[in-house]
Amino acid sequence: DAKTTQPPSMDCAEGRAANLPCNHSTISGNEYVYWYRQIHSQGPQYIIHGLKNNETNEMASLIITEDRKSSTLILPHATLRDTAVYYCIVSYDGSGNTGKLIFGQGTTLQVKP
Amino acid sequence: KAGVTQTPRYLIKTRGQQVTLSCSPISGHRSVSWYQQTPGQGLQFLFEYFSETQRNKGNFPGRFSGRQFSNSRSEMNVSTLELGDSALYLCASSSGLMNTEAFFGQGTRLTVV
Repeated sequence: DAKTTQPPSMDCAEGRAANLPCNHSTISGNEYVYWYRQIHSQGPQYIIHGLKNNETNEMASLIITEDRKSSTLILPHATLRDTAVYYCIVSYDGSGNTGKLIFGQGTTLQVKP
Repeated sequence: KAGVTQTPRYLIKTRGQQVTLSCSPISGHRSVSWYQQTPGQGLQFLFEYFSETQRNKGNFPGRFSGRQFSNSRSEMNVSTLELGDSALYLCASSSGLMNTEAFFGQGTRLTVV
């Protein structure tokens, strides 16, 4: 079973920031948090990952709480092309092996004009 | 740098037949993982190969098998196809190092009739 909990769906206005939450209360000290997204019928796309510090790349920012029990993915200026299912994933056994990803149901983000 | 290539993109097979799907990972990547995606079950992990050895296996029947070649290309085989095997099969490539991202192909859409 997935070790994360996400809301099933969210809406966001185009041009505004999209903040997608994820709970991972059983995360262990050496487990990373990964975010992927899947646009309809395509393969999942890697977005970002982090351990405990906040991370930012050209696509998004990842904010991890100090106790590491939850995180938020931020898309700073959402566009219609960001409409997708977003998956928050914690490694299944703490080994750090990302060859086995356990996907939950994810959050369907709908960006509206 | 070329991405993950899966062939074929679409496939129609009859119940009872077998099928082989192919995945070419990103150059230099040694880990290839396979996933099945259906509307009812979502994205489910099948197995992972690393340096020609199966490193992880999901909860699928023995009809699902795979292998990896010395050039890291991987194939998965499904024997005695059932209607329920209709799905999008995705392959992911990663370096195999800990805590690194995985990159997905576009998938093979298998329809069993």
